[in-house]
Amino acid sequence: QKEVEQDPGPLSVPEGAIVSLNCTYSNSAFQYFMWYRQYSRKGPELLMYTYSSGNKEDGRFTAQVDKSSKYISLFIRDSQPSDSATYLCAMSALESGGYNKLIFGAGTRLAVHP
Amino acid sequence: KAGVTQTPRYLIKTRGQQVTLSCSPISGHRSVSWYQQTPGQGLQFLFEYFSETQRNKGNFPGRFSGRQFSNSRSEMNVSTLELGDSALYLCASSLSGQGIYEQYFGPGTRLTVT
Repeated sequence: QKEVEQDPGPLSVPEGAIVSLNCTYSNSAFQYFMWYRQYSRKGPELLMYTYSSGNKEDGRFTAQVDKSSKYISLFIRDSQPSDSATYLCAMSALESGGYNKLIFGAGTRLAVHP
Repeated sequence: KAGVTQTPRYLIKTRGQQVTLSCSPISGHRSVSWYQQTPGQGLQFLFEYFSETQRNKGNFPGRFSGRQFSNSRSEMNVSTLELGDSALYLCASSLSGQGIYEQYFGPGTRLTVT
């Protein structure tokens, strides 16, 4: 079983929809939770990060972490065609290098159609 | 501020050869991490360097090695290339320390082994 599970999709939604992306994990030592967006042929771009449990909002994006359920979510409101990309969750636990060893989910491919 | 740069962007090598990839972090960032991205395994952590020292390492064979220079630039070397080494190799930089710092990715080097 992988440490981080993420449904690869693809997920296809109409423009303006609310998108929900999720990851589950098994390592209770994870404390730092991130969401990256990756466009085709580009490197991942950090969208948001959350430390420990709770919610964080940034514009149309909301990240939620439920450590008791080992479950994290990213919500995208009013989705736009420009949001079409692969969304990767990533997590880390404190190790010798700090929190720099990221464990990624498989990524969910999202397509927002006009 | 300039982002993370990686050179070369594309590379084609033959089985058995070796290859060296280069990464220049964001100015002021002292930590460089390397990741391998493949369709089958997703993004996997290779290793992380800080102040010319490897602080953390993933589960890759010894054919994969790296180093970091005093200006924080980093190189990754893969010896005796195998077909399965074909992948997108990404580096990420962060301010580092032991706290939580965002990692910023470069565009990657796409390596094809024939």
